[in-house]
Amino acid sequence: ETGVTQSPTHLIKTRGQQVTLRCSSQSGHNTVSWYQQALGQGPQFIFQYYREEENGRGNFPPRFSGLQFPNYSSELNVNALELDDSALYLCASSRQEGTRTTNEKLFFGSGTQLSVL
Amino acid sequence: TQLLEQSPQFLSIQEGENLTVYCNSSSVFSSLQWYRQEPGEGPVLLVTVVTGGEVKKLKRLTFQFGDARKDSSLHITAAQPGDTGLYLCAGGISNFGNEKLTFGTGTRLTIIP
Repeated sequence: ETGVTQSPTHLIKTRGQQVTLRCSSQSGHNTVSWYQQALGQGPQFIFQYYREEENGRGNFPPRFSGLQFPNYSSELNVNALELDDSALYLCASSRQEGTRTTNEKLFFGSGTQLSVL
Repeated sequence: TQLLEQSPQFLSIQEGENLTVYCNSSSVFSSLQWYRQEPGEGPVLLVTVVTGGEVKKLKRLTFQFGDARKDSSLHITAAQPGDTGLYLCAGGISNFGNEKLTFGTGTRLTIIP
């Protein structure tokens, strides 16, 4: 139903490595948000991309970076992986119109489960 | 930093019983959303409330936004096994463009047949 797809679904990395997670937004959506959900906790906002630029960032270090492409798909990159980066990474897409604040419905993907050993 | 605390953290009740889940914060939010998340899936939006004191009903689920827009509750009547899941509240922070969501700690609900 959501139309948001994330890849890969599962990933195992070792400490110090780098990882790239991918997200395809739902058709018609131009905004992508990334969230980190640690086991047993609620999702934490990482950042949001609109018009290929970062449009808001949560309390995450610079080694968390992202990209948005002209087709509105997005990537989340994490450098120098740490054990605490192990989590479910969720992508959510929505539609934004200019700078007008909205509470448009977010559609979440099923996430990428990242394990850092 | 806006924090949303949910209570209870875990709840296990018999089918047919009623329950209430609470979401509390010291911060004011422009909107409050409730999501349900199944294992291996992303959260799915149930409802959005934006006005202080607002009450919305979705079949057996009743959602209320506090008058001061700092807290919310979710009440389920005659719970069914299909209601089992992780319930998340999320507060919206106004910014240019889409709101940024702050999620609560979650309530894991289990309905026993």
